[in-house]
Amino acid sequence: DSGVTQTPKHLITATGQRVTLRCSPRSGDLSVYWYQQSLDQGLQFLIQYYNGEERAKGNILERFSAQQFPDLHSELNLSSLELGDSALYFCASSADRGLYGYTFGSGTRLTVV
Amino acid sequence: GEDVEQSLFLSVREGDSSVINCTYTDSSSTYLYWYKQEPGAGLQLLTYIFSNMDMKQDQRLTVLLNKKDKHLSLRIADTQTGDSAIYFCAERAAGNKLTFGGGTRVLVKP
Repeated sequence: DSGVTQTPKHLITATGQRVTLRCSPRSGDLSVYWYQQSLDQGLQFLIQYYNGEERAKGNILERFSAQQFPDLHSELNLSSLELGDSALYFCASSADRGLYGYTFGSGTRLTVV
Repeated sequence: GEDVEQSLFLSVREGDSSVINCTYTDSSSTYLYWYKQEPGAGLQLLTYIFSNMDMKQDQRLTVLLNKKDKHLSLRIADTQTGDSAIYFCAERAAGNKLTFGGGTRVLVKP
């Protein structure tokens, strides 16, 4: 157990729907990062939050949004889902700037049918 | 720009050494990392190296960094079946985010 908790572990939904993925960072970590892992694109950085504020944005689609709450948990919202959004979505956390690496959760596998 | 490349696959016999290679393009990379991903699991940080170092050893793991050639390698000594996994290298450059390579699948044969 890495200390980073992601729910749900698996999600199957239809095209056009909206889903919310949840992440609880490791205790004491203020930064949360979201990554998408797909077979053709590899691991793609989506977005980073630090203590409730957005810090960095990567290849995140406009249909996707995220936030970090006062208790430091984070949610990634995916809307108007397409087949191509099927992937593993990872959350990671770090104490500050993550100089010594991130701690990853076990991921949410999203299947869009 | 940031681009991290790795070979796709490595097969090794149990007890031999494994060497996984990685090249990166961003000369401003400050830290470089190796992660391991087992089936159905997230990425586990194995080790990291600062860009002002040439080598770092941690038990069975040895990281070599050639900054001039922008080449990073991970050597696993006495490879075990439990080392079968996908290994990712990652660089940290401007913006503080990690950019990952595509991963190298290591298969350890008994």
